[in-house]
Order: sequence, then C-alpha cells, then structure tokens
Amino acid sequence: DTGVSQDPRHKITKRGQNVTFRCDPISEHNRLYWYRQTLGQGPEFLTYFQNEAQLEKSRLLSDRFSAERPKGSFSTLEIQRTEQGDSAMYLCASSSTGFRGDTQYFGPGTRLTVL
Amino acid sequence: GENVEQHPSTLSVQEGDSAVIKCTYSDSASNYFPWYKQELGKRPQLIIDIRSNVGEKKDQRIAVTLNKTAKHFSLHITETQPEDSAVYFCAASFGNEKLTFGTGTRLTIIP
Repeated sequence: DTGVSQDPRHKITKRGQNVTFRCDPISEHNRLYWYRQTLGQGPEFLTYFQNEAQLEKSRLLSDRFSAERPKGSFSTLEIQRTEQGDSAMYLCASSSTGFRGDTQYFGPGTRLTVL
Repeated sequence: GENVEQHPSTLSVQEGDSAVIKCTYSDSASNYFPWYKQELGKRPQLIIDIRSNVGEKKDQRIAVTLNKTAKHFSLHITETQPEDSAVYFCAASFGNEKLTFGTGTRLTIIP
C-alpha cells in the first residue's frame, strides 16, 4: 500500500496521560498536514510541514499539542496531559508541490478516546 | 481566516436523480476547491477538485462549478447510485496550504 498510513488506528487513554501518533506520508510528498475531526464535523486544521519545517500551527492548538517531522519523512503528533475534549479522529494528509501539488491525500486516521 | 459554509446538511434523493451540494467561501485569495467523500469510519477521499482559473470541471457523473465573483462552488452528482451515499465535504485553500472544510452534507440515495 503506497498511500498515507497512520499508527495506531485506535488509542484509548486516561485523562492526564500523554499520547503520540505517527503518520507516514506518500513517499514522494514533501508536505504533511495534521487535522482533527470530531463526530459530524469536517476536518479541522492543526498544523503542517514542508519537509522538516513546520510552516503553520493553528491558533486554536493548545500548547499541549506538539508535532515533529525530524527527517522530512514521517511525522509524530504528541498530546500531553490529555483531556476528554481531545477525543477525536486525528487525520494526517500529504501532498507534493508539483503540478498536482494541491491535492491532499488522507490517511485512515487515529481515533483517540480519552476516558 | 477562511470560512466555508456548506448546504444542505442532509440530502435525500431518489436513485437515478441528481444531487447538488453548495458551498460558499469568504477569502477571495482561495484558489483551490476540492470535494471529499467520506464513508462511515473511512478516510476522506478526493472525488473532484477545481482551481480558480476554471469555471467548471466534469468527471463522469460528477461535476463541480465555481463562481469566483460570488465566492461559491457547487458539486453536482447525476444519475445517483446507492454507493453515492456518504458524507461529502467541500474545502478551500490558497495553493498548497491548509484546507478549510465545510461542515459536511450527508447524502442518502433512496433505492
């Protein structure tokens, strides 16, 4: 499968714990995006990278959230001191900056449940 | 920032009829408008997109129209089939930057 992959697919944690999610983009894509989707809503932008540089972070994103893409390939999203309001589907997407560069391809998501 | 509104939130059509979903955007700088289909528990999948230098684009039973002056764009699905049932999201962005999504339309095709 050469699409975007995410791990784990599901995560259940207790409030106050830290969690980390991983995203592997399509191999030739240099842009990587994180979105969050709650039930009945569209995906909401969190942050994005071009190669290893984090170019934008949503103003709505708490300081408890941090993302990295250290080698410009896979990315991790960490949530510290999780809260029940963090329960959502976390989606990763990737794109290239070529002629078709605007198209973002999504991964299957990581569903986080905070108890 | 960009704001995208999407209507209707739910839509039921008889199989074989057409479905139309409409979106408006606020940022005149936006120049890329994709449509995603999301089935229950699955990832959003791109079904069609349009860039601001084009007014209409078709792909088999699916078409998208864009009115830059009015800042609205629409998805048209003709000859609907049961497998078209899903949630559809419109989105807008400037270039390769973040997508701002609408709130979604749950489309149900009645056999």
